[in-house]
Amino acid sequence: ETGVTQSPTHLIKTRGQQVTLRCSSQSGHNTVSWYQQALGQGPQFIFQYYREEENGRGNFPPRFSGLQFPNYSSELNVNALELDDSALYLCASSSPSSEQETQYFGPGTRLLVL
Amino acid sequence: AQKITQTQPGMFVQEKEAVTLDCTYDTSDQSYGLFWYKQPSSGEMIFLIYQGSYDEQNATEGRYSLNFQKARKSANLVISASQLGDSAMYFCAMREDYYGNNRLAFGKGNQVVVIP
Repeated sequence: ETGVTQSPTHLIKTRGQQVTLRCSSQSGHNTVSWYQQALGQGPQFIFQYYREEENGRGNFPPRFSGLQFPNYSSELNVNALELDDSALYLCASSSPSSEQETQYFGPGTRLLVL
Repeated sequence: AQKITQTQPGMFVQEKEAVTLDCTYDTSDQSYGLFWYKQPSSGEMIFLIYQGSYDEQNATEGRYSLNFQKARKSANLVISASQLGDSAMYFCAMREDYYGNNRLAFGKGNQVVVIP
């Protein structure tokens, strides 16, 4: 187990709704990254937070937003949900001070948009 | 452009046999890191092994080893003595080491099924 936790584990929403996903990072890690994994695909980078600031963003529209809190936990918010937002959302924590900066993933949140 | 390419179809491997999973990557950076992750059906991505672009030795972690061929831009994962619990999707990922970047670019994965 990595010590990275995510909630909820599963979620069903309807098109147009808003959703908030949560992630607690591993102890000692101050960086959280979010990824979207569509069925049958590899994860796609959404954005990363380092010390409460966004530190890089992938090719996702502004309706995908995030926060990082002083304890380094993080939220991913998605507004105006679309059917294509149905996916597994993974968060990963890491520490820039480690040599490899390996990202350790949580169990993911499965989002279904109807 | 796709940075990580994993093109093998699903693989069946006999228990206790070795299996090699192919990964090629594309970057113009000199400094980068390569990772392999395992994803069982539960969904969690489990870190397996890391290879830095400047590492001269191939990385090894228990039954996992990485066959790193820098000139060919390949980073194949070798799993020795396969076990039933190795059945999963395996993803190759790369992190390009430019300032402020820690994003991973993933391939589409390789499906491995270990049969008794």
